[in-house]
Amino acid sequence: GENVEQHPSTLSVQEGDSAVIKCTYSDSASNYFPWYKQELGKRPQLIIDIRSNVGEKKDQRIAVTLNKTAKHFSLHITETQPEDSAVYFCAASIGNQGGKLIFGQGTELSVKP
Amino acid sequence: EAQVTQNPRYLITVTGKKLTVTCSQNMNHEYMSWYRQDPGLGLRQIYYSMNVEVTDKGDVPEGYKVSRKEKRNFPLILESPSPNQTSLYFCASSPDSPRETQYFGPGTRLLVL
Repeated sequence: GENVEQHPSTLSVQEGDSAVIKCTYSDSASNYFPWYKQELGKRPQLIIDIRSNVGEKKDQRIAVTLNKTAKHFSLHITETQPEDSAVYFCAASIGNQGGKLIFGQGTELSVKP
Repeated sequence: EAQVTQNPRYLITVTGKKLTVTCSQNMNHEYMSWYRQDPGLGLRQIYYSMNVEVTDKGDVPEGYKVSRKEKRNFPLILESPSPNQTSLYFCASSPDSPRETQYFGPGTRLLVL
């Protein structure tokens, strides 16, 4: 079946450093790629998303890049802060329509002051 | 306040005892979905509903049922729970499809003995 692989599973950085999380997907028809942040004990919340007609998208300190040929996309967080510590999930829509969304396994990011 | 609610938030039950987890949204969203979250496995989609007329299986539908009789409600039914259904369950909704921001409920932590 279709899947999304996410790496690394854990990531520890110093405050102020950059963090990069990578995902690969298997369905060449996928056209929507969101990133969710889940703080400890909380529900997931969307932080940024990208569609297949765009190669890069930025929102302040976070950015997402998409390489459709290689079927991978990445989350970049610059100038990390302790409040960025959380679990991050990537996801990919299955097919170009329909209701399926597959999530990666998650990355636990720890930002040390 | 726009929100997704789930009940109960915590549930301990025994193998084979039918249970229902309710999910309700007040945002007039067409799309609703159920996920389970397990350590190391990320979020896995159980069932989704594109609208009141359409529900379909996600990645891990075995052992679960859903119904969508009204737009606002999307209950998850476990007819005969087993210990491997012990998990954290999230309901989510979005305006039209999974290709938009999904708003998650607070989660339901289920323990099946």
